[in-house]
Amino acid sequence: QKEVEQNSGPLSVPEGAIASLNCTYSDRVSQSFFWYRQYSGKSPELIMSIYSNGDKEDGRFTAQLNKASQYVSLLIRDSQPSDSATYLCAVWPGGSYIPTFGRGTSLIVHP
Amino acid sequence: SAVISQKPSRDICQRGTSLTIQCQVDSQVTMMFWYRQQPGQSLTLIATANQGSEATYESGFVIDKFPISRPNLTFSTLTVSNMSPEDSSIYLCSVRGTDHYEQYFGPGTRLTVT
Repeated sequence: QKEVEQNSGPLSVPEGAIASLNCTYSDRVSQSFFWYRQYSGKSPELIMSIYSNGDKEDGRFTAQLNKASQYVSLLIRDSQPSDSATYLCAVWPGGSYIPTFGRGTSLIVHP
Repeated sequence: SAVISQKPSRDICQRGTSLTIQCQVDSQVTMMFWYRQQPGQSLTLIATANQGSEATYESGFVIDKFPISRPNLTFSTLTVSNMSPEDSSIYLCSVRGTDHYEQYFGPGTRLTVT
């Protein structure tokens, strides 16, 4: 069974710090990787996608992918209290029509 | 990405009744998906709805409990039938992106069964 693992947290960081969120996956042939942000009571919002090894930066967000080690991470620089949310990792393994979602990591950014 | 709307946004229902959730997309899509997210849990796919054919249900979900309609390429409904408190959850409609299989979600329907 294809699995996507995340630490449930909560991960607590001070405002202005770098938040590092990690995700591992079991299917070695996975091809697409996504990070979603979900505020309490809201639906998941796609914030980053990455498809090849290395880093991808978008504003304060950086996604990192290492296929050999089967992990993907999300870095949030200059964390703000508004970044406090649950972050879901999703992996599309290929051969399937939908990605597999992790349980999410709760991030708390305190002033 | 597509703009997805759902109705109702929330509802409180009594045990044994049924609720139909509507999902509207602003563009034509081949596949629409229905997810459930129980408190503190991740997303669980209920079924995939294709226009013109019966929905495909995931393990643990059956058509009698969660009938789905897909009358055209922009609309779908999910009915939660004979509800029990265990059906209290957020129900999400989703469509798939065209490039890399990313999922886009509607705002969700928060259902509470008493």
